[in-house]
Amino acid sequence: TQLLEQSPQFLSIQEGENLTVYCNSSSVFSSLQWYRQEPGEGPVLLVTVVTGGEVKKLKRLTFQFGDARKDSSLHITAAQPGDTGLYLCAGAQGGSEKLVFGKGTKLTVNP
Amino acid sequence: NAGVTQTPKFQVLKTGQSMTLQCAQDMNHEYMSWYRQDPGMGLRLIHYSVGAGITDQGEVPNGYNVSRSTTEDFPLRLLSAAPSQTSVYFCASSYVWGPTYEQYFGPGTRLTVT
Repeated sequence: TQLLEQSPQFLSIQEGENLTVYCNSSSVFSSLQWYRQEPGEGPVLLVTVVTGGEVKKLKRLTFQFGDARKDSSLHITAAQPGDTGLYLCAGAQGGSEKLVFGKGTKLTVNP
Repeated sequence: NAGVTQTPKFQVLKTGQSMTLQCAQDMNHEYMSWYRQDPGMGLRLIHYSVGAGITDQGEVPNGYNVSRSTTEDFPLRLLSAAPSQTSVYFCASSYVWGPTYEQYFGPGTRLTVT
């Protein structure tokens, strides 16, 4: 059973479009993180959210943590080819030293 | 700072051979982890360590050993390689704050077992 479900699994859009990817669970997390991974490289941390309802912005990327701390979303405005990559969400549960990762959303932004 | 370094970057093994994947970090992080990444499976935790001398199993520990004698180094040993261990392996070190910890990943080792 996958603890964190990401959707969609694949997304191909044109430059300038907006998009949202989702990370859902039936479990509560003390924090949730988003990473971006480019081909041949390790994941790179984009943001950490820790408070239910929290919204964080990173240039054209907006991250939201659900009120119940069971889900999160990543919204990209006016996507650019440089946004292409695998987006991973990861959750930490209280009392555990282990992060749980979703399977990722592979985003392709075409020029 | 070099961050997290992994060697080698690529490796081909024959079934039954053993080898050690090296991982080092220069950020003085207490937490270190090993993951494998397979198509459609995401990142799966193999072993992790919360400090020198302390290790524990993750989700997929069979066939792998780890030790943590220093804060900086966390090698992963494959005892007897099998084709099912063909994967990309990532080492990560973690900065702990409040209720969470943020992971910094190395560039990965791509392993093929024939």
